[in-house]
Amino acid sequence: KQEVTQIPAALSVPEGENLVLNCSFTDSAIYNLQWFRQDPGKGLTSLLLIQSSQREQTSGRLNASLDKSSGRSTLYIAASQPGDSATYLCAVPGYGGSQGNLIFGKGTKLSVKP
Amino acid sequence: GAGVSQTPSNKVTEKGKYVELRCDPISGHTALYWYRQSLGQGPEFLIYFQGTGAADDSGLPNDRFFAVRPEGSVSTLKIQRTERGDSAMYLCASSGRGDTQYFGPGTRLTVL
Repeated sequence: KQEVTQIPAALSVPEGENLVLNCSFTDSAIYNLQWFRQDPGKGLTSLLLIQSSQREQTSGRLNASLDKSSGRSTLYIAASQPGDSATYLCAVPGYGGSQGNLIFGKGTKLSVKP
Repeated sequence: GAGVSQTPSNKVTEKGKYVELRCDPISGHTALYWYRQSLGQGPEFLIYFQGTGAADDSGLPNDRFFAVRPEGSVSTLKIQRTERGDSAMYLCASSGRGDTQYFGPGTRLTVL
């Protein structure tokens, strides 16, 4: 059974700092991995999707890497800003397919202090 | 273009009542998903539609929960005899030809 774990559960950093969020999964037979952002009381915003054949994806100040063999992904945020404060979730398809249900971690709650 | 929309945004009901939650996916998306999220947890899968049919309903917790998508676009999640433990954020997502799931703003359900 696939399980997704995110460390740390919460993180507080001063504005301008570079930071790394971690995601690990137990079954390496995944088709892709997706990172989301969730603001309090809101839905999820897709940030990046990495296919299993890719090692990283970049969007602006965000860079996500994927190491399937070790069951890990990292989300790197450069030059953090107060507007980056949110909960960041990673998710993988539940039964190895490319579509179908996603299995989520509990998220990392990020607070960027001005 | 328009994203996924969900109505109502908030629903307060009494224990034992029936509720319906609606999801409008992105136009043209054939896949539609329902998830439930409790405070401090990640979303948990409920049901997945491909077109009009439920491709996977293994996440529905019991027979009080039911979902339909009769014309392959709008979906309704129906909860009978609501219980306090059903209180959560209910999220809907849709996807098209790619793998990315696009989420709506959610419906916050509170059962008193």
